[in-house]
Amino acid sequence: SQLAEENLWALSVHEGESVTVNCSYKTSITALQWYRQKSGEGPAQLILIRSNEREKRNGRLRATLDTSSQSSSLSITATRCEDTAVYFCATDSLTGGGRALIFGTGTTVSVSP
Amino acid sequence: NSKVIQTPRYLVKGQGQKAKMRCIPEKGHPVVFWYQQNKNNEFKFLINFQNQEVLQQIDMTEKRFSAECPSNSPCSLEIQSSEAGDSALYLCASSLQNSGNTLYFGEGSRLIVV
Repeated sequence: SQLAEENLWALSVHEGESVTVNCSYKTSITALQWYRQKSGEGPAQLILIRSNEREKRNGRLRATLDTSSQSSSLSITATRCEDTAVYFCATDSLTGGGRALIFGTGTTVSVSP
Repeated sequence: NSKVIQTPRYLVKGQGQKAKMRCIPEKGHPVVFWYQQNKNNEFKFLINFQNQEVLQQIDMTEKRFSAECPSNSPCSLEIQSSEAGDSALYLCASSLQNSGNTLYFGEGSRLIVV
């Protein structure tokens, strides 16, 4: 079963608009991370937000975390064509003797001119 | 630009053949992860190492996959007998710690089993 999942498969916006990707998770977490994966590349981390934080910013990116509803959002303002990518949320999962980061299935964001 | 180096970028194997992928983690990162990403973008954790020791691995990895991270050599992931369902992007990532930290990914090795 998915320990983390984004709520929508795909979103399309025009350059300059804002877009928000949502994520829900099912276990208690120590932190939630947002990654972006562009075509032909590996994922790259955008933001890490810890369980005691409610909001984190990184330039045009803003992540929120609501541990009571076990959900997070990633907002991108003033989108650019180069923001076109698949966006994943990921949470730590305690399995066996350690933790492995569990990724959601991703939301594809397409930014058109 | 990825500082985690994965080779080869692509490999095509017949069913039953061995498939081997290599990964050089980012310098100074003691923890290495292998993930399988399918065509639907779904990630499956396979195995992770801290220095040369296996931290955890899933059942599938124990049976048909072998992996190692020898000192002073690239890490490797090998599928002993490839199956069609193994066709995927294999991603290597490194990190400073086993949990709660950023994973730095390579660009992946895309395996096609025909």
